[in-house]
Amino acid sequence: NAGVTQTPKFQVLKTGQSMTLQCAQDMNHEYMSWYRQDPGMGLRLIHYSVGAGITDQGEVPNGYNVSRSTTEDFPLRLLSAAPSQTSVYFCASSYRGTANYGYTFGSGTRLTVV
Amino acid sequence: KNEVEQSPQNLTAQEGEFITINCSYSVGISALHWLQQHPGGGIVSLFMLSSGKKKHGRLIATINIQEKHSSLHITASHPRDSAVYICAVSPYSGGGADGLTFGKGTHLIIQP
Repeated sequence: NAGVTQTPKFQVLKTGQSMTLQCAQDMNHEYMSWYRQDPGMGLRLIHYSVGAGITDQGEVPNGYNVSRSTTEDFPLRLLSAAPSQTSVYFCASSYRGTANYGYTFGSGTRLTVV
Repeated sequence: KNEVEQSPQNLTAQEGEFITINCSYSVGISALHWLQQHPGGGIVSLFMLSSGKKKHGRLIATINIQEKHSSLHITASHPRDSAVYICAVSPYSGGGADGLTFGKGTHLIIQP
């Protein structure tokens, strides 16, 4: 089925561990982005990409790295997990130039850092 | 940074009632999005608006660009409409797709 696929759905990490959250889309969308959702804070933009080889920081980028080697994939790397990174993470994609197109979201990754 | 405010934060209504959720923002935008999130679930895009009004089934979304305000209406509400409704805005930018700014959401409960 066409859409945005996120893996894993759940993950528990120990403080200091690293991991990669995967995001893949098969709609040939240029634009991909990562958000975190925290109670009382709403969703906040971590990093985004407007095409392969191009990434930029969002509102809360510290502690996260991204790369975009292909149009389809946009992984999010936690370099050294901290309890403050406990959150639900969503990946989203869209055609660039959102005048006529909405966003498609993945189903989310619930991350707990202990 | 655009400030996106939603009201109300929480809303409980009876089945069949007409529901209105409001969203205001502080800086001009290229588009406004209404999203739906069921408990423990993913996020679904309901509407994207840059002007005027859109309708899909029992859902209607309107936007007033001059007043920087949008409303989401649900007619003949049903318990399955119970969810969090989130307003988000796309900024003006060269590419038009440089990240969303979100409101904190409206938690809607429709009682049978």
